Amino acid sequence: NAGVTQTPKFRVLKTGQSMTLLCAQDMNHEYMYWYRQDPGMGLRLIHYSVGEGTTAKGEVPDGYNVSRLKKQNFLLGLESAAPSQTSVYFCASSYGSHGEQFFGPGTRLTVL
Amino acid sequence: SQQGEEDPQALSIQEGENATMNCSYKTSINNLQWYRQNSGRGLVHLILIRSNEREKHSGRLRVTLDTSKKSSSLLITASRAADTASYFCATDDSNYQLIWGAGTKLIIKP
Repeated sequence: NAGVTQTPKFRVLKTGQSMTLLCAQDMNHEYMYWYRQDPGMGLRLIHYSVGEGTTAKGEVPDGYNVSRLKKQNFLLGLESAAPSQTSVYFCASSYGSHGEQFFGPGTRLTVL
Repeated sequence: SQQGEEDPQALSIQEGENATMNCSYKTSINNLQWYRQNSGRGLVHLILIRSNEREKHSGRLRVTLDTSKKSSSLLITASRAADTASYFCATDDSNYQLIWGAGTKLIIKP
């Protein structure tokens, strides 16, 4: 039982490049989330999903897209990376909408 | 939008002492959760307290909730070096989201 896994762990991009972050969970959770965490701040929700095939915008969705084609996977895409997207990205999943969330180890992204 | 705000921002105590951190929030909630984050790692859930509960315990952790004051506190008793981490509170909103505070950074000195 791996819980929530994220790939890659680290990535450096140049401005304008694109990339996809992959999140996978093996707990059969319906809800999945993508957050970003910046120094001195709490987590900010980018996008979330309440089930396979559904996605919704969170607090800071601009510049990101997501897809949930399979229940266990939640992908976060950056189409044209900007330095303001330098951050640590966390994926999380939960069984219910307001219950305990299980977090992945994070992806540290730097955009030059 | 930031619902929860932790206080203090940083706390440094001696090993064996108790650590108390507080969380204030702005709107009505269904529940409030506390999480721990070790440096460079993902967050780990500690405890969930529902709006109709006033106190909850889990091992060395004690959480209180005062809905009239819109505040919660997390007490860690008999602190250990391994408790060094950042602690976050999170409250639910009307959507499927948790709203997070900026966290309290706790340092336990040996």
